[in-house]
Amino acid sequence: ILNVEQSPQSLHVQEGDSTNFTCSFPSSNFYALHWYRWETAKSPEALFVMTLNGDEKKKGRISATLNTKEGYSYLYIKGSQPEDSATYLCAFPPNAGNMLTFGGGTRLMVKP
Amino acid sequence: ETGVTQTPRHLVMGMTNKKSLKCEQHLGHNAMYWYKQSAKKPLELMFVYSLEERVENNSVPSRFSPECPNSSHLFLHLHTLQPEDSALYLCASSHGQGPTSEQFFGPGTRLTVL
Repeated sequence: ILNVEQSPQSLHVQEGDSTNFTCSFPSSNFYALHWYRWETAKSPEALFVMTLNGDEKKKGRISATLNTKEGYSYLYIKGSQPEDSATYLCAFPPNAGNMLTFGGGTRLMVKP
Repeated sequence: ETGVTQTPRHLVMGMTNKKSLKCEQHLGHNAMYWYKQSAKKPLELMFVYSLEERVENNSVPSRFSPECPNSSHLFLHLHTLQPEDSALYLCASSHGQGPTSEQFFGPGTRLTVL
């Protein structure tokens, strides 16, 4: 059984706060690490696919880093806005195929 | 709009009913997936089809039966389900079969089994 863990499970922040959360995954046989954003009543939407150790990716105020040697990735949101409220999921492919094992998600709520 | 549609969006069925969930993707992708999201559990992969061939079946009970008649359509046939099968069922598609293939999700079907 593959362990993909996300912490915290939920997070409440004020508008304007910066925040970050963690995804940890097995550090052996690394292929990629995916981040998805899932707003209530909508479909999960891909944010980033990360492949290289030390990689950093950015999309607007959201960025992610990757450490494949120690098996973790951080997602950062700078200056959170209410529209950032969503569940953020990470997913880990256990092999070279197209299966993904998802973590339990971090539910972010940004108060105006 | 992600280019992946699912019908119906909501379904209530009895344990003796037979129903089907439908997924259609308009993205020209060649892989399709069924996931299950139960309350307070991670998204759980059920089935994967690549190039219309089933490549993954994660020990899913036989009361769930997938069908992929072509690369754009995916069905999940349901029969004699149990109340614990109540969940959100998500369909996804991707282009390519590798570990970096981004998946595009539909809005899901919320299933309630009475």
